[in-house]
Amino acid sequence: NAGVTQTPKFQVLKTGQSMTLQCAQDMNHNSMYWYRQDPGMGLRLIYYSASEGTTDKGEVPNGYNVSRLNKREFSLRLESAAPSQTSVYFCASCDWGPNTDTQYFGPGTRLTVL
Amino acid sequence: SQQGEEDPQALSIQEGENATMNCSYKTSINNLQWYRQNSGRGLVHLILIRSNEREKHSGRLRVTLDTSKKSSSLLITASRAADTASYFCASDEKLTFGTGTRLTIIP
Repeated sequence: NAGVTQTPKFQVLKTGQSMTLQCAQDMNHNSMYWYRQDPGMGLRLIYYSASEGTTDKGEVPNGYNVSRLNKREFSLRLESAAPSQTSVYFCASCDWGPNTDTQYFGPGTRLTVL
Repeated sequence: SQQGEEDPQALSIQEGENATMNCSYKTSINNLQWYRQNSGRGLVHLILIRSNEREKHSGRLRVTLDTSKKSSSLLITASRAADTASYFCASDEKLTFGTGTRLTIIP
C-alpha cells in the first residue's frame, strides 16, 4: 500500500514549456486534490476532484488544467509554465464519511520555472 | 482567499511547556483539520474535528472547536523538540489551508 505517490519529485522548466505532474493513490479514495505551497506560505488549493469524472476549481486555478483519468489518478498540467508557478506541488486524497478522520498527502513535487 | 488563518504566526516555548495555536475561519464548515509540516517535508494529518464536536483528543493533542466564533484551537501538551514544525488548519472537504503557525521548541 503505497498511499499517495507523485512524479516527478523535482523538475526544472523554462518559461513557456509545458509539463504534467502525476498523482496516484491506491486507497480507493473518491476525492483528490492539487495544492501549491510557496516558501513560508500555507497551501493553496488549485483544483480538486470530488469523484471520478468531476473536477472543480480551487483558489488558484489560473494557468493549470487537471484530468481525473480514473479513480486512482489525478494529473495537473501546466500548458505554458511561468516563473510565478515556481512552487512545491502537493497531491492529496481522502474519502469523506462518518468514519473518516484522515487525509493523505503525497511527498510533493518541487518545480522551478526559469 | 484562504479560509483558515492561524494565530500566532510564530511561537517559541521551552521543552515541556504547552503550546496553544488558534485558527479562525470565515464560512460555515462541516469539519476542520490540523496538520503538521516539518521543514522541507510533506504534510502530516494530525486530527479532524467535526462541526458537531466541541473537543477531541489524540495523545498529547487537544483540539477544540467553537462554531459560534468560527474558531478552533490546537493544544500540544508537554512539548518535545520533535514538535518543532509548522502547524496548519484546514477547513472542510476542499481542505482550504491557512498560512500556518511556526512552532519552535527550545531544548
